[in-house]
Amino acid sequence: SYVLTQPPSVSVAPGKTARITCGGNNIGSKSVHWYQQKPGQAPVLVIYYDSDRPSGIPERFSGSNSGNTATLTISRVEAGDEADYYCQVWDSSSDPVVFGGGTKLTVL
Amino acid sequence: QVQLVESGGGLVKPGGSLRLSCAASGFTFSDYYMSWIRQAPGKGLEWVSYISSSSSYTNYADSVKGRFTISRDNAKNSLYLQMNSLRAEDTAVYYCARVRMVPDAFDIWGQGTMVTVSS
Repeated sequence: SYVLTQPPSVSVAPGKTARITCGGNNIGSKSVHWYQQKPGQAPVLVIYYDSDRPSGIPERFSGSNSGNTATLTISRVEAGDEADYYCQVWDSSSDPVVFGGGTKLTVL
Repeated sequence: QVQLVESGGGLVKPGGSLRLSCAASGFTFSDYYMSWIRQAPGKGLEWVSYISSSSSYTNYADSVKGRFTISRDNAKNSLYLQMNSLRAEDTAVYYCARVRMVPDAFDIWGQGTMVTVSS
């Protein structure tokens, strides 16, 4: 089955830029969705179809996808961005919905 | 407002059964595929199952195939997950989530319901 690999943790200072990667074999040929999950809360969609933002999501959140890596970029990071972030794709394998293992973003 | 509310979670013994429900409101339920996604304590997200808008198509993760059954009642704006032969490794928060179609994103999630499988 298809595997998505995320770094377990990323740390960034307030006001700086955080980049969270999601690796997969030829992931650039797939559509990648990103979710933010704060402790004790349900996930929230922050980026869909690689780089589109749902209404209500700040422009500070952006995404890209090429080759074997998709990236979620959070500009001008705020304390409130501290959360777990998950990438997700649909695949034609036996388990069609695949999530990455998640990345814990820590704001220093 | 658009909302999904899960219910039916609880404590069940290994080998037991449980039926989860998800009540939808604020949108045309019958226009959307629906899915169950779970999260074991301290772990990541794991997709469980999805069902097409008219119930004509269902799909399951290998880990639950043959034990779980997803269904929906569009007249009642409700999604269900019948879980049989439960195992300790099924212990998780179970979320329902909507998706317009494959390969769209899961754009709305419920708050989750906890299922604990333990003797």
